[in-house]
Amino acid sequence: EVQLVQSGAEVKKPGESLRISCKGSGYSFTSYWISWVRQMPGKGLEWMGRIDPSDSYTNYSPSFQGHVTISADKSISTAYLQWSSLKASDTAMYYCARGQGSYMDYWGQGTLVTVSS
Amino acid sequence: QSVLTQPPSASGTPGQRVTISCSGSSSNIGSNTVNWYQQLPGTAPKLLIYSNNQRPSGVPDRFSGSKSGTSASLAISGLQSEDEADYYCAAWDDSLNGHVVFGGGTKLTVL
Repeated sequence: EVQLVQSGAEVKKPGESLRISCKGSGYSFTSYWISWVRQMPGKGLEWMGRIDPSDSYTNYSPSFQGHVTISADKSISTAYLQWSSLKASDTAMYYCARGQGSYMDYWGQGTLVTVSS
Repeated sequence: QSVLTQPPSASGTPGQRVTISCSGSSSNIGSNTVNWYQQLPGTAPKLLIYSNNQRPSGVPDRFSGSKSGTSASLAISGLQSEDEADYYCAAWDDSLNGHVVFGGGTKLTVL
């Protein structure tokens, strides 16, 4: 069974750094892209970027380029999304999803990130 | 402001057929396939339709997708109360090194 299990909810202060994770199982982790998708409170889905775990090649949405970093450790089938300096506007639910061509066929359960002073 | 345009809301009564539109441009829908996602309240999104009109295993055939030019649509026939959810269209966009773009989402209410 394909599963993407994300790390737990986080509460951070503005300016702090953060890395959240997404562990894949039940399939060959290096055969599919992992995408990250943001959903701000009460809002729609926004694609942030993706990584090819086989070689760590990434591409980002223009809206998120330079604001976040996507990485992966194929030895433990885990992808990451990280921020070096959080802002209150980063408060959102973040989903990872397995990429199959241009679509995302399996999704993680989501990680809620709250940034507040 | 989302790159793909969807109506913010739609509604229907049980058993009815409803459609949700998704409008884009030549750099996204016009040159790439469209995918649809369903997000039930409080849950993660789920792939509903891929490659314009393909249903993943387990998705009822009440759900269908189509695409023409720079627009796409999702149709739900035999509407059921459990179909009440947010629906998002998405497509690859070839501009700026390529990226996925979503519609703003359509909240479907079953009356």
